Parts: sequence; structure tokens; C-alpha cells
Amino acid sequence: QLQLQESGPGLVKPSETLSLTCTVSGGSINSVSYYWGWIRQPPGKGLEWIGSMYYSGSTYYNPSLKSRVTISVYTSKNQFSLKMISVTAADTAVYYCARLNEVGRVDNWGQGTLVTVSS
Amino acid sequence: QSALTQPASVSGSPGQSITISCTGTSSDVGSYNFVSWYQQYPGKAPKLMIYEGSKRPSGVSNRFSGSKSGNTASLTISGLQAEDEADYYCCSYAGSSTLIFGGGTKLTVL
Repeated sequence: QLQLQESGPGLVKPSETLSLTCTVSGGSINSVSYYWGWIRQPPGKGLEWIGSMYYSGSTYYNPSLKSRVTISVYTSKNQFSLKMISVTAADTAVYYCARLNEVGRVDNWGQGTLVTVSS
Repeated sequence: QSALTQPASVSGSPGQSITISCTGTSSDVGSYNFVSWYQQYPGKAPKLMIYEGSKRPSGVSNRFSGSKSGNTASLTISGLQAEDEADYYCCSYAGSSTLIFGGGTKLTVL
């Protein structure tokens, strides 16, 4: 059974870089059928797609976040990561990693990890 | 890229049917038959309920159904049950491998 697990600091200072890793188990990240992505949810608010990547390394980002976000893949570790620079309090959210297809079928989610941006 | 528009809340009594709308534009919902719907309980990760507009993943009750007309997609839950009380989100493909979510709808079972 496929499982995804987010890991990374729960507290980041304003203007610094948020870094999260998603470890995939029970399946290979080198799948031609799937994309891997990040979705976030500010406390009490809705879901926001951050970006997705294909195992080949192709990446796709939310236009509103594109200038600050990088998603990378580490196939040998079956992991992918999220880096977001210059964070502010508005980036405080639960961050989910997920398996999806190109057109938005998100069929597996991590449990989510809360990242708080505060000094 | 603005969020898809959903009603903030809907409610219904057990056994009734409710419909949640999801309005986008001709660049997303209107252009593609790739709307998915997610159910989320407090403190939990979302769960896929409908994909490609009207398809149900294995294990999802046939009380859940999806449809689309123009720029608006809809999720209908029939035979409402107490366990259906949750937040529901729509998501649409918006071209060039990008996605957009709706603002979410809180379903209350009276």
C-alpha cells in the first residue's frame, strides 16, 4: 500500500527558506503513470495546489508561487522535496505531499505537516 | 488564477440529497472534463471522492455523484448520512499541468 510521509521543520522564520521532504513507500516514484506534488492548507482555510513534478524531473508550479518554489526529485531515495524561499506569515499552513496524475486526480495524500512562519 | 467558487456551507437532513456547486471559468472547469472532488474531516487529509467529473474511485459510495454544465461542476450526495458531514473541495485541471482548487464547502447534516 502506497504511503507518503512529510518531514521537515515545523517552525521557520520570516524571510527564510521552508524545506520539506516527502518519502514515498510501498511504491516507486519512478512511475510513468503518476505525478508527485505539494498542496497546502492555511489554518481554517481551503486547499491550494503548490506544484507537481514528474519522475523525469519536469516541474509545474502555481503561477502565484512560481517565483518562490522549487520541487525536486531524489529517485535513489524515493523522495521528493519542496523549497519555498522568502516565507512570510501567509505561508503558515499544513503542507501535504501527494500522488496525483497530470489532470488532478489526487489519489494518495500524506498525513500533512504544519509549518508555522514566525520569529 | 483565482480559486474556484463554492458555497461556504450547505446543509441537509438525513436521507435527503444535497448538491455542492463549483464554478470556474472557460479556462478551467469549462474547458476540461477533469474536475475532482475531495472530502475532508477536521484534522485529516482529504480523500478523493470523484475524479474526471463523474468517476468514483473504488470504495466510494455510489451515493456520491458528479456532473458538469458549462463552467460549473457539481457534487451530489444522495441519501445523506451523518458521516457525510465534512468539508468538500473541488479541483479542476487548468491546462499546462496546473491545477486549481475551490474554496471549500462545509456540509452540515442536520
